[in-house]
Amino acid sequence: GAVVSQHPSRVICKSGTSVKIECRSLDFQATTMFWYRQFPKQSLMLMATSNEGSKATYEQGVEKDKFLINHASLTLSTLTVTSAHPEDSSFYICSAMRDRLHQETQYFGPGTRLLVL
Amino acid sequence: SQQGEEDPQALSIQEGENATMNCSYKTSINNLQWYRQNSGRGLVHLILIRSNEREKHSGRLRVTLDTSKKSSSLLITASRAADTASYFCATDKAAGNKLTFGGGTRVLVKP
Repeated sequence: GAVVSQHPSRVICKSGTSVKIECRSLDFQATTMFWYRQFPKQSLMLMATSNEGSKATYEQGVEKDKFLINHASLTLSTLTVTSAHPEDSSFYICSAMRDRLHQETQYFGPGTRLLVL
Repeated sequence: SQQGEEDPQALSIQEGENATMNCSYKTSINNLQWYRQNSGRGLVHLILIRSNEREKHSGRLRVTLDTSKKSSSLLITASRAADTASYFCATDKAAGNKLTFGGGTRVLVKP
């Protein structure tokens, strides 16, 4: 099956610092990757859609200058939370979509838990 | 924003019983999918049902879709303690399009 990894799985940082989260598709090329945020006991909220080689598309209310997304290759997308604040503490999950033939299913990474002190 | 609602929000059953949860959505869809999430983990894809399908089975899972009512149900038969998780429905408007998730149902299966 399709495997997506995230790194790190857990990170604690000080307020004001930046944190980078990686999302990798391990055994397939992902034309599109998605970044979600999930607060405790809540559902997933889409933050942005990342297409390889082009700028990410952000959802309404998500600050693109605060959440920097880079999709430099077909197997890697990164999310950088800049100048993190305690309210950015959350569970960040990425997903990857394969080629056009398999576009209907998103494969999710295991998530990254961010705690900003 | 979330596409729809799921109910119940939480469900507690005994091992061996069936668990049913429902999902409603607001706009027309291409597909509806169900995912499972164990606490603090990523999502596992369970089943996809297309907008022109009414029912689908996969092992102990049965999914129905009623596009006239904009609703779907997920039935887990003969539940096991390992089925304890949160279950989310997700819809997309077109192939390759972004998913919109429901609020989720937290299922607890007691041994």
